[in-house]
Amino acid sequence: DAGITQSPRHKVTETGTPVTLRCHQTENHRYMYWYRQDPGHGLRLIHYSYGVKDTDKGEVSDGYSVSRSKTEDFLLTLESATSSQTSVYFCAIGEVGNTIYFGEGSWLTVV
Amino acid sequence: GESVGLHLPTLSVQEGDNSIINCAYSNSASDYFIWYKQESGKGPQFIIDIRSNMDKRQGQRVTVLLNKTVKHLSLQIAATQPGDSAVYFCAEEGSGTYKYIFGTGTRLKVLA
Repeated sequence: DAGITQSPRHKVTETGTPVTLRCHQTENHRYMYWYRQDPGHGLRLIHYSYGVKDTDKGEVSDGYSVSRSKTEDFLLTLESATSSQTSVYFCAIGEVGNTIYFGEGSWLTVV
Repeated sequence: GESVGLHLPTLSVQEGDNSIINCAYSNSASDYFIWYKQESGKGPQFIIDIRSNMDKRQGQRVTVLLNKTVKHLSLQIAATQPGDSAVYFCAEEGSGTYKYIFGTGTRLKVLA
């Protein structure tokens, strides 16, 4: 494994509640990414970070926010969870122009 | 990015045969490509990568071929084993974009 830990691994939450997923790395990589994976859509980029306090949007960022206050942690927040955000969320880490490595995923169900 | 369908294409091969999985990428400016393997319930796992200044790269039992003229990438797995059963997908990184675009994947089934 590439030194990536995602938490929680599984969560069920109610519509309208805020949810925060955490990605923790021990590799000191500059870049961190949050993807969601849904049947028929593959992996889609939500947000990414290119350094502490430096983040940018991906293709499916609506309804999500991120924060990176230190190199090792990248947090994904669903401000008010909706059923359409039921998905598997993957964190990835790496350096530009090189392989990115994925965590084991966080399964989120919004009921 | 690529258009997607609701069902993953599936490749079924006999154990011991060679497998070839194809991927069409979208951006002619992409200069780095990666193949991943994803087993059920797990995160994508790196298999092999290739840069745009190369046409071919070999690893252990795997070979990646890159055809920039037609924007095509392929993954060849030699002597396919039951443990190779998984979903495989390619990723491209556009020069300077810091973003990776993923294909929807191909499911490989290894028949005993």
